[in-house]
Amino acid sequence: GAVVSQHPSRVICKSGTSVKIECRSLDFQATTMFWYRQFPKKSLMLMATSNEGSKATYEQGVEKDKFLINHASLTLSTLTVTSAHPEDSSFYICSASDYASTDTQYFGPGTRLTVL
Amino acid sequence: GEDVEQSLFLSVREGDSSVINCTYTDSSSTYLYWYKQEPGAGLQLLTYIFSNMDMKQDQRLTVLLNKKDKHLSLRIADTQTGDSAIYFCAESESSASKIIFGSGTRLSIRP
Repeated sequence: GAVVSQHPSRVICKSGTSVKIECRSLDFQATTMFWYRQFPKKSLMLMATSNEGSKATYEQGVEKDKFLINHASLTLSTLTVTSAHPEDSSFYICSASDYASTDTQYFGPGTRLTVL
Repeated sequence: GEDVEQSLFLSVREGDSSVINCTYTDSSSTYLYWYKQEPGAGLQLLTYIFSNMDMKQDQRLTVLLNKKDKHLSLRIADTQTGDSAIYFCAESESSASKIIFGSGTRLSIRP
């Protein structure tokens, strides 16, 4: 089946630093990837839609200058949390669609970010 | 706007059936999903149903859809301890669209 990986799985950083999270579709091409954020014991909230070769579309209330998204290839999207603060601590999950053969999105295992 | 609602907790006895209910508001929903999330882990797609279907069964899982009432349910037969997790109901207009998630139902199993 379709596999989506994320790296790193966990990251701890100091306040003010930037953190990059990678999302890869391992065995399929994904023209669109999605980035979600999950607060503790809460649901997933869509942050942005990432399209290969174009600018990401951000949901209302999500700061595009703080959460930089790059989708440089059909198998890789990155989310960079810039100048991280403790309130950015969260579980970040990406998903990708394999348009060639499936009708659904596949989710990565998530990245737990802790900002000290 | 789009909204998906589900109860927060469900406790069932091992071996009984679990029924998790969900309501949604978006009339354009085409795909309706059930995801499972175990502690500290990502999402696992359990099953999904198209809006033109009433029911889908997959081994111990049965999904029922009442499109008129915008009500979706997931029934887990013979619930086991390994079924303990948070179950998210979700919907999207297409596989290329954003997915709107419910708040999740935490299923706990008692002996």
